[in-house]
Amino acid sequence: QLQLQESGAGLVKPSQTLSLTCTVSGGSISSVDYSWSWIRQPPGKGLEWIGYIYHSGGTYYNPSLKSRVTISLDRSKNQFSLTLTSVTAADTAVYYCARRKMSGDDAGSYFDFWGQGTLVTVSS
Amino acid sequence: EIVLTQSPGTLSLSPGERATLSCRASQTITSNYLAWYQQKPGQAPRLLIYGASNRATGVPDRISGSGSGTDFTLTISRLQPEDFAVYYCQQYGRSPLFTFGQGTKVDIK
Repeated sequence: QLQLQESGAGLVKPSQTLSLTCTVSGGSISSVDYSWSWIRQPPGKGLEWIGYIYHSGGTYYNPSLKSRVTISLDRSKNQFSLTLTSVTAADTAVYYCARRKMSGDDAGSYFDFWGQGTLVTVSS
Repeated sequence: EIVLTQSPGTLSLSPGERATLSCRASQTITSNYLAWYQQKPGQAPRLLIYGASNRATGVPDRISGSGSGTDFTLTISRLQPEDFAVYYCQQYGRSPLFTFGQGTKVDIK
């Protein structure tokens, strides 16, 4: 059974860099059938897609965050990571990693597996 | 930029009743790339519906999706205790590629 697990610092100071890792088990991040995304949810609010990375390493980011976001792969550890620079209190959120299925019906149009999420608070 | 507007914000119903949730898009959603998720407190969202009307694996048949273009509906025919949660719609394809609605909370009357 596929599992995704987020990890990283839960408290980040304003203007610093947020770094999170998603460890994938029960499946390979190198599979051509999937891509890997980050999504966030501020406390009590809705969901915002941050970006995704393909098995090849190609990336696509939400234009509203593009200047501050980097998503990368570590195939040796079956992990992918998120860095978000110059954070402010507005970046306080639960951060989820999630999988997109790139084959079959309506390929790539939804997220079928999610991690449990990790809360990151931006505060001095 | 496409905007998804969900209504109502909160739906107060009793177990056994029918729930009808709406998701309206500010632009036509290409190829019906519309999905629905259920989220319970402290949990990640769970995929329910993709392609506007296709149930994800393990989703009971009392939950169904319909609609096209700019107007989509999630229907739960007979609410069970485990169905009380927040529901989000999500589109794919229009900038910024993935967008979620603001959510509809279904709570117990």
